[in-house]
Amino acid sequence: KAGVTQTPRYLIKTRGQQVTLSCSPISGHRSVSWYQQTPGQGLQFLFEYFSETQRNKGNFPGRFSGRQFSNSRSEMNVSTLELGDSALYLCASSRDRNSGNTIYFGEGSWLTVV
Amino acid sequence: GENVEQHPSTLSVQEGDSAVIKCTYSDSASNYFPWYKQELGKGPQLIIDIRSNVGEKKDQRIAVTLNKTAKHFSLHITETQPEDSAVYFCAAGGYQKVTFGTGTKLQVIP
Repeated sequence: KAGVTQTPRYLIKTRGQQVTLSCSPISGHRSVSWYQQTPGQGLQFLFEYFSETQRNKGNFPGRFSGRQFSNSRSEMNVSTLELGDSALYLCASSRDRNSGNTIYFGEGSWLTVV
Repeated sequence: GENVEQHPSTLSVQEGDSAVIKCTYSDSASNYFPWYKQELGKGPQLIIDIRSNVGEKKDQRIAVTLNKTAKHFSLHITETQPEDSAVYFCAAGGYQKVTFGTGTKLQVIP
């Protein structure tokens, strides 16, 4: 079956702009998490959505937001981009909480802010 | 919250030798411990996971051990091959959230 799909794969934005990244989870997965990966900070948890509700949130400023749709697809948005937002943004999906928590990652969206 | 420490940050081994990566965690409530392999330019791929009711799990050349009392778990790769070269991440957590270690860059020298 198809894995976690993220679009776009690569993008370049200018400081001050905003960006929206999209994630389609594995069919049947209702939980979607987002992570930021940078060489210096590793994998940092942004937030997790389950059934269109944000269940967990990491320590990121309010410029980072997300949402989940009824079909479990998710988007994350970063407003007023800063140079330090340049990173690989990873989406991960898993089944509902009662079935355990095996997390599967997508290939990521590479964001460069110039 | 959970804190996961991973060692070493880099590891070089000769092809055919074994590699061991160790992680410790802080939250005694954590009950799920996955390991991921990330190749250059790709997203992390789950290679093996273990739950708190199991002390050891094996899958071909890969094994993971868990010591809940000491709050540490380890990844063992035997008979390493050049294609094992990648960054490996451990993680610890529960149903809703896992916290990742900082990664180990493994280099297998042919």
